[in-house]
Amino acid sequence: GAVVSQHPSRVICKSGTSVKIECRSLDFQATTMFWYRQFPKKSLMLMATSNEGSKATYEQGVEKDKFLINHASLTLSTLTVTSAHPEDSSFYICAPISLGSYNEQFFGPGTRLTVL
Amino acid sequence: QKEVEQNSGPLSVPEGAIASLNCTYSDRGSQSFFWYRQYSGKSPELIMSIYSNGDKEDGRFTAQLNKASQYVSLLIRDSQPSDSATYLCAVGDSSASKIIFGSGTRLSIRP
Repeated sequence: GAVVSQHPSRVICKSGTSVKIECRSLDFQATTMFWYRQFPKKSLMLMATSNEGSKATYEQGVEKDKFLINHASLTLSTLTVTSAHPEDSSFYICAPISLGSYNEQFFGPGTRLTVL
Repeated sequence: QKEVEQNSGPLSVPEGAIASLNCTYSDRGSQSFFWYRQYSGKSPELIMSIYSNGDKEDGRFTAQLNKASQYVSLLIRDSQPSDSATYLCAVGDSSASKIIFGSGTRLSIRP
């Protein structure tokens, strides 16, 4: 499978601060990046889809001004949680895919965000 | 609303037996189907993908797809304690723009 890294793996922050999560595809070019979050004992929820060089498409109910996504290169995408609040505490996971992969997604290791 | 349904479990299977996990989906136009394994506190790991009707085997895992019945399953032979995890069924939507995940089945292999 593909090699995907995420940084940081775990972050604890105070309410009101912003947190940036990086996702890198290490051995392939990611034309599309999916960002998910997962609350405890719940399934994955797609937050947004981004294509390299263009604006992200957000799922219904996900605030685009709160969750800023940048996909400036084929190997790096970032998700910034702005003005984080305790209800944003979750497991955030990226999944890059490349053209022709037929939707086969390989997930990053995830970032555990805890907002105090 | 496109949906992927799984029994949440827990499904308890004795070591060495066959574990059978099932999934149904609502989008008739779906063309890609996946099974992911997720250990507690970790991100999902792709274990099987299947695109055409029938069976696909990979080691101890067999994925089965029946598009007419909108049904996909995963069989795990010779179950091991290390197979204990949550198994997520995922289906590519007909627009091929994203995949939709089921809520997962928790599998427990008892020694």
